[in-house]
Amino acid sequence: SQQGEEDPQALSIQEGENATMNCSYKTSINNLQWYRQNSGRGLVHLILIRSNEREKHSGRLRVTLDTSKKSSSLLITASRAADTASYFCATAGLTSGSRLTFGEGTQLTVNP
Amino acid sequence: DTAVSQTPKYLVTQMGNDKSIKCEQNLGHDTMYWYKQDSKKFLKIMFSYNNKELIINETVPNRFSPKSPDKAHLNLHINSLELGDSAVYFCASSQDLRRGTGANVLTFGAGSRLTVL
Repeated sequence: SQQGEEDPQALSIQEGENATMNCSYKTSINNLQWYRQNSGRGLVHLILIRSNEREKHSGRLRVTLDTSKKSSSLLITASRAADTASYFCATAGLTSGSRLTFGEGTQLTVNP
Repeated sequence: DTAVSQTPKYLVTQMGNDKSIKCEQNLGHDTMYWYKQDSKKFLKIMFSYNNKELIINETVPNRFSPKSPDKAHLNLHINSLELGDSAVYFCASSQDLRRGTGANVLTFGAGSRLTVL
């Protein structure tokens, strides 16, 4: 069964606002990653957070991880029209060589 | 230079035909993957090779056969195409998957959109 579930499925905001996307998963993980997919393109890795980390920042991105609730959130601050894309979380299991399992994605639209 | 390149970008074909998609990476990665993304954008792993060795083989019809001639290349051949095979197929690569955390960060190709009529 699918590991990650994301909500909301779609999010529409104005430029300058913050966007928050959530991801929940079912089994214990080694790490969790977020990817962005622009329309018609491949996925691009944004950030990785390990299971022993609680928060990580990269530029305008902030990721949190709560392993007790098996959930993560991605916050994009001061959004721009260029942030319009689908955002996916992906989890890696505990065993060595565990594959990444992707969530269903959140479609973010940032209106100018 | 494109890190992960796959060809063709678009493929339109009739049911029953056989087709191949090619993938090459110039990142020096040891592990390569094929993912399938359906019309709802759900991304599902199909296969993974590490240094030409098959390490992940999900429940995929045996009409799909991956081939890795060397660690920089992973091709996907599909026999007897069906309507349900229509999707976008993504190739990806990472460092040696077996090295653990950080080594499973994926670099994706731009995708190959397959349409079966």
